[in-house]
Amino acid sequence: SAVISQKPSRDICQRGTSLTIQCQVDSQVTMMFWYRQQPGQSLTLIATANQGSEATYESGFVIDKFPISRPNLTFSTLTVSNMSPEDSSIYLCSVEVPGGRRNTIYFGEGSWLTVV
Amino acid sequence: KNQVEQSPQSLIILEGKNCTLQCNYTVSPFSNLRWYKQDTGRGPVSLTIMTFSENTKSNGRYTATLDADTKQSSLHITASQLSDSASYICVVSANSNYQLIWGAGTKLIIKP
Repeated sequence: SAVISQKPSRDICQRGTSLTIQCQVDSQVTMMFWYRQQPGQSLTLIATANQGSEATYESGFVIDKFPISRPNLTFSTLTVSNMSPEDSSIYLCSVEVPGGRRNTIYFGEGSWLTVV
Repeated sequence: KNQVEQSPQSLIILEGKNCTLQCNYTVSPFSNLRWYKQDTGRGPVSLTIMTFSENTKSNGRYTATLDADTKQSSLHITASQLSDSASYICVVSANSNYQLIWGAGTKLIIKP
């Protein structure tokens, strides 16, 4: 299993500022993922963060807006840059623990950002 | 196009009643199907995961079924409790576990 801690859990941010979300895992994992969930919507994958390489971004997400760090196998950060009200979302860190075709995916509690 | 559709969009039932949530998918090649429970403002929590060869999987009062031929899954909740109020999301893995197709979820409200 994996226990994921995310910080901050909630924040109210000013338009134009940037915020960094931290994700700490209690075990070493290869693959970490960052998701966004806008109000009333399902989860959307932002990027996959592997230790020792550049993050891989999904269509519609760019590194300048969502820079990601992955300095080791237990930690990652996602920065939401130059925020606008449209960035108000829950941001979720996720890891995958291998198990063949039954890889288990764990999620952090989420970071609920409101941009005003 | 890989898609996951869930129904109903929302559901209100009385405490103690049973309910069934539906998930239809058009994902190929299929790897596995997961059901998650997500409380408002929190991260999703895994309920079940099923591969192609599995028809049913239980987790307490939650029972998931999978029909890989018709590409349908259901999540049955027995003797609902107030704490079951949440969104239930169906997620299908395509080809590998790294490509997840998320349903929009069913918002379930349990009333006393």
